[in-house]
Amino acid sequence: IAGITQAPTSQILAAGRRMTLRCTQDMRHNAMYWYRQDLGLGLRLIHYSNTAGTTGKGEVPDGYSVSRANTDDFPLTLASAVPSQTSVYFCASSDSQGGTDTQYFGPGTRLTVL
Amino acid sequence: GQNIDQPTEMTATEGAIVQINCTYQTSGFNGLFWYQQHAGEAPTFLSYNVLDGLEEKGRFSSFLSRSKGYSYLLLKELQMKDSASYLCAVRDSNYQLIWGAGTKLIIKP
Repeated sequence: IAGITQAPTSQILAAGRRMTLRCTQDMRHNAMYWYRQDLGLGLRLIHYSNTAGTTGKGEVPDGYSVSRANTDDFPLTLASAVPSQTSVYFCASSDSQGGTDTQYFGPGTRLTVL
Repeated sequence: GQNIDQPTEMTATEGAIVQINCTYQTSGFNGLFWYQQHAGEAPTFLSYNVLDGLEEKGRFSSFLSRSKGYSYLLLKELQMKDSASYLCAVRDSNYQLIWGAGTKLIIKP
């Protein structure tokens, strides 16, 4: 693999179900991020991780949790999905050790909660 | 609060030049990014400005004025493949990116 991969590509989920969105990067970037993108709104940060073993809350963290057990993987879990979590979810990574710390995005997961 | 403003939609003609503006009010400033996003795809990095002035990259240029809280993305010699949304994002004092809603650019032949 090269870059960032996300799985699944799309998912329809019943409300109340638990769901984990997967994100893996092979660029050895130290920082990773989860965003949601909704029509008419800018990307909104859900959670982030500056380095393996640490995580932080973004702008809209409620209802979501993350873990960062190693450098490559950053899964996002919805403990009990609700319809307002219907969105497109993007994972991103960056090398925050120097340079511009540009974020690079995965292809996204389109999630529908019914 | 923090705010990034961009026009919702713009239309331009193939071969022409278009300027997409972005104004921002954020708590601190640590750089401004422009991304391109084709429909149904992920955002891809276009440009980065942290100092005032113009950064040129082929057909695309980006300008920044920190004192005015203003940036623009200039696209020259427009091609049909440039039809996409263009996202402006500012890195704030917490080193997080604050995103505008994006400008949908429609290119007509």
